[in-house]
Amino acid sequence: GAGVSQSPSNKVTEKGKDVELRCDPISGHTALYWYRQSLGQGLEFLIYFQGNSAPDKSGLPSDRFSAERTGGSVSTLTIQRTQQEDSAVYLCASREGPYNSPLHFGNGTRLTVT
Amino acid sequence: DQQVKQNSPSLSVQEGRISILNCDYTNSMFDYFLWYKKYPAEGPTFLISISSIKDKNEDGRFTVFLNKSAKHLSLHIVPSQPGDSAVYFCAASGEGGNNRKLIWGLGTSLAVNP
Repeated sequence: GAGVSQSPSNKVTEKGKDVELRCDPISGHTALYWYRQSLGQGLEFLIYFQGNSAPDKSGLPSDRFSAERTGGSVSTLTIQRTQQEDSAVYLCASREGPYNSPLHFGNGTRLTVT
Repeated sequence: DQQVKQNSPSLSVQEGRISILNCDYTNSMFDYFLWYKKYPAEGPTFLISISSIKDKNEDGRFTVFLNKSAKHLSLHIVPSQPGDSAVYFCAASGEGGNNRKLIWGLGTSLAVNP
């Protein structure tokens, strides 16, 4: 079956522009996470969606970052007024069940802000 | 402050030998640990996990050992194969119920030489 799909795979944008990153989780997975990995760093938690509950936005680094998940499926991560420090690989992951079921990751979107 | 530490950024072993990847953690509330493998330009893929009620979990060539008193876990790969060459991430979770965040190490790059 299809895994987690992310688009675009690569995005180059100018500083100050807005970008939208898309994630299609595995069908039926109720939990969805966004992470980012900057060069030489580990995975940094950004935001978590679980079913119809209010999302956990505690990892978003600034108010330029926002995310939504429509219909409990597709999610969009939006970065407004991009800065060079936003350059990273943005990874989406989904999970079927409780915390002790594994996360399934997409291949990420490599964002480069020039 | 890194709560999950992978102190070896890289490791090189010969094909057929054992690979041992180490991970240390500081938070005694962590009770679930996972290892993920990541190839370039792909998202991490789940490898193996262990709950804190166990000290060993085995899956084929992969075994994870947990030493709670030392707050240390290790991943053993026997025998190592060239296809195992990847970055290996250790992750841990604890409090938070079903909304647990995984805390990730920075990864160890394993090279298995033919």
